[in-house]
Amino acid sequence: KNQVEQSPQSLIILEGKNCTLQCNYTVSPFSNLRWYKQDTGRGPVSLTIMTFSENTKSNGRYTATLDADTKQSSLHITASQLSDSASYICVVRGGGNKLTFGTGTQLKVEL
Amino acid sequence: KAGVTQTPRYLIKTRGQQVTLSCSPISGHRSVSWYQQTPGQGLQFLFEYFSETQRNKGNFPGRFSGRQFSNSRSEMNVSTLELGDSALYLCASSLDSNEQFFGPGTRLTVL
Repeated sequence: KNQVEQSPQSLIILEGKNCTLQCNYTVSPFSNLRWYKQDTGRGPVSLTIMTFSENTKSNGRYTATLDADTKQSSLHITASQLSDSASYICVVRGGGNKLTFGTGTQLKVEL
Repeated sequence: KAGVTQTPRYLIKTRGQQVTLSCSPISGHRSVSWYQQTPGQGLQFLFEYFSETQRNKGNFPGRFSGRQFSNSRSEMNVSTLELGDSALYLCASSLDSNEQFFGPGTRLTVL
């Protein structure tokens, strides 16, 4: 069964600190993996997309990594800001264009 | 380009009633997908429409239905509402079935 598991479920960090969110998947065949940021009460917004051949991709202070062999991805946030407080969702596209969603990591950045 | 729009943004209904939600995709996008999001469950796929035809369907009861019009606008209908239908309903449009762009969602509360 195709699954996407994210950890931790929730995280609280101080402003200015770095953090790393994890995504493990069992989706096969694999097409791509995307990280979304979802602010409270809003729709998800794409941060990065990773294909099989990509190991690292950055978008400002967000850096995503992908290890296709171990089927793991991470999202690293550098120098966190209050506006980074949101839910981060990992989504894997598999065969037949089917999407499998993780349940997300709820990040809270505090002063 | 204008983003995905959803109406209404908030809705309160009582058990047994029915509801219709509307989604206008990004201009030129022909694929519209609907998702239900509840705390702890993450995003659950409802169905996808492409050129007025339902292309994929998730595991939801027949009370959940949808349609797409010739201008790509889509509606989702839920009949005989239950308390458990309270959720954020998200619509996403895409051009090439790859990247999805999400709307802000409709927050449905069933009392």
